[in-house]
Amino acid sequence: DAGVIQSPRHEVTEMGQEVTLRCKPISGHNSLFWYRQTMMRGLELLIYFNNNVPIDDSGMPEDRFSAKMPNASFSTLKIQPSEPRDSAVYFCASSLSSGVTGELFFGEGSRLTVL
Amino acid sequence: RKEVEQDPGPFNVPEGATVAFNCTYSNSASQSFFWYRQDCRKEPKLLMSVYSSGNEDGRFTAQLNRASQYISLLIRDSKLSDSATYLCVVRSAAGNKLTFGGGTRVLVKP
Repeated sequence: DAGVIQSPRHEVTEMGQEVTLRCKPISGHNSLFWYRQTMMRGLELLIYFNNNVPIDDSGMPEDRFSAKMPNASFSTLKIQPSEPRDSAVYFCASSLSSGVTGELFFGEGSRLTVL
Repeated sequence: RKEVEQDPGPFNVPEGATVAFNCTYSNSASQSFFWYRQDCRKEPKLLMSVYSSGNEDGRFTAQLNRASQYISLLIRDSKLSDSATYLCVVRSAAGNKLTFGGGTRVLVKP
């Protein structure tokens, strides 16, 4: 069975450029999460969706970040313009919101480097 | 104060020994608790849920202390393959928001 699929796996870009990260959740999962991980700050929740609707975006750092989920099988996280401090691993995860275990299934992450 | 706090370690553990570490959470209304494991340069994966009465999964034992607002993880008979970062995760009382601690790094050495 396919897990959470993220692309690109690695991205190196220059400051000021637009970055778009993509995520395909596990089929049937109705919750989708975007996390950012750095050595200094650990795993931070940026935003999460239930049934394609953004529920909590309080973790989105600033207006340069935006996330969309146009349908149940696709989400994007966009950074425009990118800055060096955005360098991190961005994880997408999905789950069943009604699931008893609360297990999140993570993608392999998108490693972003902004020069 | 962070919502979920962990000792970052590393905990250097001889193979075969027992290691235990805690995680504290700030929101007394938190609903559910989990331990995730993250290997170097990999994604986090669920290790085990933490139940009020405490629970075991093989060599791993998790405990919850609601009064003092902490959870713990104990690993018995440590294996080299247990070397990883262990992430404490707390689910909020409302919604489906999961908050991760900074992780505790465990290094098991021969």
